[in-house]
Amino acid sequence: QSVLTQPPSASGTPGQRVTISCSGSSSNIGSNNVYWFQQLPGTAPKLLMYRNNQRPSGVPDRFSGSKSGTSASLAISGLRSEDEADYYCAAWDDSLSGRVFGGGTKLTVL
Amino acid sequence: EVQLVESGGGLVQPGGSLRLSCAASGFTFSSYNMNWVRQAPGKGLEWVSYITSSSSTIYYADSVKGRFTISRDNAKNSLYLQMNSLRADDTAVYYCARDSYTTNFDYWGQGTLVTVSS
Repeated sequence: QSVLTQPPSASGTPGQRVTISCSGSSSNIGSNNVYWFQQLPGTAPKLLMYRNNQRPSGVPDRFSGSKSGTSASLAISGLRSEDEADYYCAAWDDSLSGRVFGGGTKLTVL
Repeated sequence: EVQLVESGGGLVQPGGSLRLSCAASGFTFSSYNMNWVRQAPGKGLEWVSYITSSSSTIYYADSVKGRFTISRDNAKNSLYLQMNSLRADDTAVYYCARDSYTTNFDYWGQGTLVTVSS
């Protein structure tokens, strides 16, 4: 059972906009930055979003992040087949004095 | 180019020990905080441990506290994870990941597989 809650799956067709949610609590998302990672099959995770809504260099602006209260979201617009991957959110948890990840969301491009 | 290369994984019996290494290159290792993150087969990511650049602050996940020890040797540009009293549920790919000045986990290694089984 992960501290951060994500839907196990999401899907969309090419060109669509998809949103992945990440729900936490006041001790993690509510008081700390949220990070998002993309993991393509058989590869290491890659940083997709930091400090809630900042894109690292090289990440397309089709990806955007937001945070409100104890929840965060990752939006992918103009969905492409190469976006098919697992997506994870993460944050620091003040109560646990450690970092926590969501359980991951498998995105399927139909 | 930033590179993180893990090594030391393998098959170990329950109750055994293993030491993982992460060799860093392409950046000033001594200036960056580091992490270990693991992923059980077919499962999600789990943060394991964190160490600051000077080793002054260390954190562990509750699941490994008292059994795992994170350390680093800045002279050798290396990060370590000493794993003792290993259990079957420690079976996972172990990644080292760097924190930058502005973000966490900005670079990841390719991972090393640890299998705990008799």
